[in-house]
Amino acid sequence: QKEVEQNSGPLSVPEGAIASLNCTYSDRGSQSFFWYRQYSGKSPELIMSIYSNGDKEDGRFTAQLNKASQYVSLLIRDSQPSDSATYLCAVNDAGGTSYGKLTFGQGTILTVHP
Amino acid sequence: DAGVTQSPTHLIKTRGQQVTLRCSPKSGHDTVSWYQQALGQGPQFIFQYYEEEERQRGNFPDRFSGHQFPNYSSELNVNALLLGDSALYLCASSLGAGGDYNEQFFGPGTRLTVL
Repeated sequence: QKEVEQNSGPLSVPEGAIASLNCTYSDRGSQSFFWYRQYSGKSPELIMSIYSNGDKEDGRFTAQLNKASQYVSLLIRDSQPSDSATYLCAVNDAGGTSYGKLTFGQGTILTVHP
Repeated sequence: DAGVTQSPTHLIKTRGQQVTLRCSPKSGHDTVSWYQQALGQGPQFIFQYYEEEERQRGNFPDRFSGHQFPNYSSELNVNALLLGDSALYLCASSLGAGGDYNEQFFGPGTRLTVL
């Protein structure tokens, strides 16, 4: 059973702080990793993709990947109240026949308070 | 550029009934995946369609079936509805030939309530 684990939270940070969201995965052969943001009552929105070890930055978001430790994280700098949402980590199954199946964690609820 | 669309937005059914949900992928995408999201959980993969065929399937019973049309749109059918089928049903579109690196974009979802 391939698993993706996230701290369920809730994670509460003050406005302007750095929010750190973590995710571990069980399938060592996984090749691609995604972070989705989901506002209450809405569908998931893709915010970051990462495929190689190291950091990938996009605006206030930085994704970090360490395949040896089977760990992926998302940092949100200068957090804003509008960042308050559930953040879902997703992993693409490895292997030639895996196509595009995503396995999701249960999500981390982030609250940014003014 | 039209994003992923789904219909209907909400649906209420009773146990034992059948339901059909519809999805149109993002312009330029040819692959549709369906997910079920229960309250407070991450989405669970149901199946994926590419070139009008079911390419991969998750751990869902045969009551869940689907179809993809030549224009890449897709339907999800659920027979003999159970109370536990109440969830948000999400359609995601992507490019089929890209293998592991496919990014998937979700539609707004269909909220199904089974009474």
